Amino acid sequence: KNEVEQSPQNLTAQEGEFITINCSYSVGISALHWLQQHPGGGIVSLFMLSSGKKKHGRLIATINIQEKHSSLHITASHPRDSAVYICAVKGNQFYFGTGTSLTVIP
Amino acid sequence: EPEVTQTPSHQVTQMGQEVILRCVPISNHLYFYWYRQILGQKVEFLVSFYNNEISEKSEIFDDQFSVERPDGSNFTLKIRSTKLEDSAMYFCASSDAVEYNEQFFGPGTRLTVL
Repeated sequence: KNEVEQSPQNLTAQEGEFITINCSYSVGISALHWLQQHPGGGIVSLFMLSSGKKKHGRLIATINIQEKHSSLHITASHPRDSAVYICAVKGNQFYFGTGTSLTVIP
Repeated sequence: EPEVTQTPSHQVTQMGQEVILRCVPISNHLYFYWYRQILGQKVEFLVSFYNNEISEKSEIFDDQFSVERPDGSNFTLKIRSTKLEDSAMYFCASSDAVEYNEQFFGPGTRLTVL
């Protein structure tokens, strides 16, 4: 049973494209995190959300609590954005999605 | 910029041996976490730790696992008797005054059990 589902699993985009990664969850949560995992394995926290929308540079994250859904958008994608993007939620414990592998081609 | 550090970067051990993975969280952080990621699989939560005690733990964190903050800086994960299936990347993370606030992750320790 997957408490967190992400789509798509894999995504290839041309540089400059607008990208959306989706996350749906099935448990009650107090917060949702978007993480970036680099090809070398390191993990970086991008956003923590409990409601609404957050923006940081070219990254935008939104959450709809009623629909149990969040999206991560990347505007003007760049090859350095190539990574695995992971959605994680804090329910009665911390649950992770399987990640979306993004490749941005120059 | 402050960062979370982990040692060793790679640990190889024989099945049945005890291993201790070490982490130095960011100095003013209060919440500490261990996660693991088996190769090719998703990240899994193991345990969170606050005020010198476990806050939450997952089903994975059984009696073979323990955590400790032996001094003011280190945070350790001990696996008492390693199994082959413990082979994974283990990540430590820390966050400041709010539990499950933005977390800062260490680079990970790759544990290989032979």
